[in-house]
Amino acid sequence: DAKTTQPNSMESNEEEPVHLPCNHSTISGTDYIHWYRQLPSQGPEYVIHGLTSNVNNRMASLAIAEDRKSSTLILHRATLRDAAVYYCIGNAGNMLTFGGGTRLMVKP
Amino acid sequence: GAVVSQHPSWVICKSGTSVKIECRSLDFQATTMFWYRQFPKQSLMLMATSNEGSKATYEQGVEKDKFLINHASLTLSTLTVTSAHPEDSSFYICSARIHRGLLTDTQYFGPGTRLTVL
Repeated sequence: DAKTTQPNSMESNEEEPVHLPCNHSTISGTDYIHWYRQLPSQGPEYVIHGLTSNVNNRMASLAIAEDRKSSTLILHRATLRDAAVYYCIGNAGNMLTFGGGTRLMVKP
Repeated sequence: GAVVSQHPSWVICKSGTSVKIECRSLDFQATTMFWYRQFPKQSLMLMATSNEGSKATYEQGVEKDKFLINHASLTLSTLTVTSAHPEDSSFYICSARIHRGLLTDTQYFGPGTRLTVL
């Protein structure tokens, strides 16, 4: 699995976009980039994943740098329910290794 | 979407007793399930990988005789914490993998089970 680096915490205002960065400079060519988030006292929730191209789904967008050494999770309009710890994971195959993640705080 | 359930959601037990936690994939079959443990204010730590019909693979430092894993069907895996002690108190989370035939697969997580050993 690729080692990932994320800021410990970030703050956002409600209704504004949020860009959560992740560095994964050691990622290999077959490692996918996964994002999960975890609300307090709950199991992680799948957000999005991608390999090379930018990806969009109903929850978020994932922008992957051309050299694949970094990526950004984009929440287009943060809500109070988006306050969680966001984990960026680089992997191939079936194992996920969780790092420290980014604690996102959303201010009303 | 893929739903994974866990039962019980919380349990309190006395030291020395055994506790069984169930993990079910409700709307898909999972040949592989995973068990994680999370201590307060820490990240998830993988304990073991459970494959249907075969023995689980444990991560380094996880005692296989203490944490018994059974994956008897494609929708059910169980984790039994034997002779539980207060240091086993933690948040136990399972996940199930959907195999999409790609280089990577998506894991879906259960809601977790909070174990408190008195």
